[in-house]
Amino acid sequence: KNEVEQSPQNLTAQEGEFITINCSYSVGISALHWLQQHPGGGIVSLFMLSSGKKKHGRLIATINIQEKHSSLHITASHPRDSAVYICAVRSRGNEKLTFGTGTRLTIIP
Amino acid sequence: NAGVTQTPKFRVLKTGQSMTLLCAQDMNHEYMYWYRQDPGMGLRLIHYSVGEGTTAKGEVPDGYNVSRLKKQNFLLGLESAAPSQTSVYFCASSLPPLFASLDTEAFFGQGTRLTVV
Repeated sequence: KNEVEQSPQNLTAQEGEFITINCSYSVGISALHWLQQHPGGGIVSLFMLSSGKKKHGRLIATINIQEKHSSLHITASHPRDSAVYICAVRSRGNEKLTFGTGTRLTIIP
Repeated sequence: NAGVTQTPKFRVLKTGQSMTLLCAQDMNHEYMYWYRQDPGMGLRLIHYSVGEGTTAKGEVPDGYNVSRLKKQNFLLGLESAAPSQTSVYFCASSLPPLFASLDTEAFFGQGTRLTVV
């Protein structure tokens, strides 16, 4: 079992829909990150969370430390949101960074 | 434009050939990293560097060598390519360690797609 599991692996939605991507992890962490990988391959950092909730524009990230679970939400989705979204966790103690396999999101106009 | 530049973007090698991937950043970052991304797996750290003249092994270092002779460049070498090294390679750089603290920004390159036949 991978230390970081994401669901769904693939998600296709219509423009305007509310999107939720989930990340579950099995280790104690000091932080969790959400990354966005563009179709061209480049990766950008969206959020870093250690507790609670963060919002940036139409993106919202939440984390529940007790349940070892995080969600990334996109409101009013747009075709330009189409990308692979990657969850990564930094393990408490050894500070090792472990990446999930990503969720491929496609937003149809 | 500031950022991380990887060259080449694509390469096909025959088994046993050698090549070097170049990562260049112009942000004066201390930390640089090489990752590989394979289908069904998350990014895995190959090697990293915490400053000019230093390198260290990551999770999957076998078959690769690296050098950081200049602060802005981090080279990844394959001395004798194997089909198992077919992958997409990403370079990243950051000022403090990658994602080590809140609001730390990390920059990734566009990736190099390498196929070993």
